[in-house]
Amino acid sequence: RKEVEQDPGPFNVPEGATVAFNCTYSNSASQSFFWYRQDCRKEPKLLMSVYSSGNEDGRFTAQLNRASQYISLLIRDSKLSDSATYLCVVAFSGGYQKVTFGTGTKLQVIP
Amino acid sequence: NAGVMQNPRHLVRRRGQEARLRCSPMKGHSHVYWYRQLPEEGLKFMVYLQKENIIDESGMPKERFSAEFPKEGPSILRIQQVVRGDSAAYFCASSPNSGSSNEQFFGPGTRLTVL
Repeated sequence: RKEVEQDPGPFNVPEGATVAFNCTYSNSASQSFFWYRQDCRKEPKLLMSVYSSGNEDGRFTAQLNRASQYISLLIRDSKLSDSATYLCVVAFSGGYQKVTFGTGTKLQVIP
Repeated sequence: NAGVMQNPRHLVRRRGQEARLRCSPMKGHSHVYWYRQLPEEGLKFMVYLQKENIIDESGMPKERFSAEFPKEGPSILRIQQVVRGDSAAYFCASSPNSGSSNEQFFGPGTRLTVL
């Protein structure tokens, strides 16, 4: 089983739609969780951290389910500019921060 | 405050040549990570370094690849005797310390093409 698994997509959604991505992780001792965004041929950039209680940033909501070992990202009112690949990131501190990236979920928002 | 800098941005090598990729972390960051991304694939961890120390190189191929982060100057990822399969984007990231809650800041990457 992969350490971090994501549905590669692509998810093709119309503007204004709500879309959700899930990501599962295998290491139950994982401590920190993030969503990064990567535009085509660009470097990944942090979108948001994921907190145990769930957190929201504008149109974006992230949730963590430790019991089932998955995190989710919900995007409301999709914009064309949301088109990108969304990377799930899981970090574990075993003396230092070991970070594992998922392969990403591709989102294409269609006019 | 300049971000993470990588150079060159594009590098073309013929099979058998050496490739040297440089990464200057953000000011105040002493932790550097190197990742490789093959076309249409995810980021793969290669190596994690602190100044003058390799902390984790579990993602590095056993041969031809090496990395360093000297006391002065940028971190260097060195690939000897490159092969076509080494063609990829190589990203460097830095963080201020190794805490698990820390964001990693990425450089723009070096795109290596092996002819």
